[in-house]
Amino acid sequence: KAGVTQTPRYLIKTRGQQVTLSCSPISGHRSVSWYQQTPGQGLQFLFEYFSETQRNKGNFPGRFSGRQFSNSRSEMNVSTLELGDSALYLCASSLTAASYNEQFFGPGTRLTVL
Amino acid sequence: AQSVTQLDSQVPVFEEAPVELRCNYSSSVSVYLFWYVQYPNQGLQLLLKYLSGSTLVKGINGFEAEFNKSQTSFHLRKPSVHISDTAEYFCAVSDRSGSARQLTFGSGTQLTVLP
Repeated sequence: KAGVTQTPRYLIKTRGQQVTLSCSPISGHRSVSWYQQTPGQGLQFLFEYFSETQRNKGNFPGRFSGRQFSNSRSEMNVSTLELGDSALYLCASSLTAASYNEQFFGPGTRLTVL
Repeated sequence: AQSVTQLDSQVPVFEEAPVELRCNYSSSVSVYLFWYVQYPNQGLQLLLKYLSGSTLVKGINGFEAEFNKSQTSFHLRKPSVHISDTAEYFCAVSDRSGSARQLTFGSGTQLTVLP
C-alpha cells in the first residue's frame, strides 16, 4: 500500500507570494491533518479535514487555509507569504477521525521563503 | 488544552547502551499517548502508542514505553541502542474525547548513538 505522498517536496518562494501544497493520503483514509514544523516552534497543528469538512483548526492566521476533495486528497494554501512561513509542512492521514487512529505522516514539503 | 514536555533536547549514548527519553504531559482531559521518530529529511513514523490497558507498551525497533498516570509521564526506553537509532524522537498526546483529535507534540529529543 502506498504511503502518504506530498508534492512538491521542496519549494522556494518570495515574500508576498502564495503557495499551494498537496497531500495524497493512504488509500481508504478519510482524515487528513496538516502540521508545520520549524526549529523555533516545533511541530504545530494547522488543521484537519474529514470527509471534505474542516473539523479543527490550529492557532494560525487566516492566510493559512486548506481544503479536501471527494477523493480525500487535500491541499493547503498560504497567501501573502512571510519569512516566518519557512518550514517543513507535514501531512498526516488516518482511517477515520477517531483520536486513537494512528496518523501516518508523509515526507513533508520544505518551503523556503526568501 | 494539553502540553508535552520532553526534558532532554539532546541525548548522546554509546552503541549497545540502554537509553531513556523522558516525556511528561499536562492535560485537563484524558489523553492518548504516542511516540514518533523522525529520521533526517523524512516524516514522522509511529514507534508506539498507549490507548488503554497495560501501562507497559511495546513498539517497533525494540522500543518500549511506560505510562505513569500519577506522574503524568510516558518515558521511552530501549535496552540496547544501535547506530541506526540516531534520530529525533517526539512524544505526543491527543484528546480521548475526540473533540480535538490533533496531536500536541513535545519539542523533541535528538538521540545520537556513538560508536
